Amino acid sequence: SQKIEQNSEALNIQEGKTATLTCNYTNYSPAYLQWYRQDPGRGPVFLLLIRENEKEKRKERLKVTFDTTLKQSLFHITASQPADSATYLCALLTGKLIFGQGTTLQVKP
Amino acid sequence: DVKVTQSSRYLVKRTGEKVFLECVQDMDHENMFWYRQDPGLGLRLIYFSYDVKMKEKGDIPEGYSVSREKKERFSLILESASTNQTSMYLCASSIEGNQPQHFGDGTRLSIL
Repeated sequence: SQKIEQNSEALNIQEGKTATLTCNYTNYSPAYLQWYRQDPGRGPVFLLLIRENEKEKRKERLKVTFDTTLKQSLFHITASQPADSATYLCALLTGKLIFGQGTTLQVKP
Repeated sequence: DVKVTQSSRYLVKRTGEKVFLECVQDMDHENMFWYRQDPGLGLRLIYFSYDVKMKEKGDIPEGYSVSREKKERFSLILESASTNQTSMYLCASSIEGNQPQHFGDGTRLSIL
């Protein structure tokens, strides 16, 4: 069956460290993979898009990798700040956008 | 910046009522989407539309219908609300199908 898996357990890290979130998928062949941020009581906000022929994408302190062989994307936030605390969703584009359940990141001062 | 506006942040309705959720976007986007978000289930697509008067079923269309009479407005209709439709409803729009989606802040709907 088709699945997108993000770690359901919250990720707690110290301010200044690098946060790494994982998105694994099975039985999909996505053309694109997107990452969104969602704050409590708000809608998701788009962060980054990476195509199947791209290995890595960066935007300021954010970096996304996409390994179509491993069927995995990693989302990194370097020099993390308490303001980065939120739930992060990955989404695969395979005709339509399929979302993972998200991983909650808590950055402690 | 794209703005997607949902008409209500919170809504309480009774079982059996017909419920309308409204969504308006201001960027002339072709595509519009309705999702519901539930703990442990994530975002699930209910319906989407890629043009005026066009609609396509998503993964969980049962019990819902949609209307898109104008490009900027996409309405979700619960024909006869039931308690299992209590959820957070999110509307989104995008320029094209493979482009990022822009979300509204959601309507938290409670059906009593």
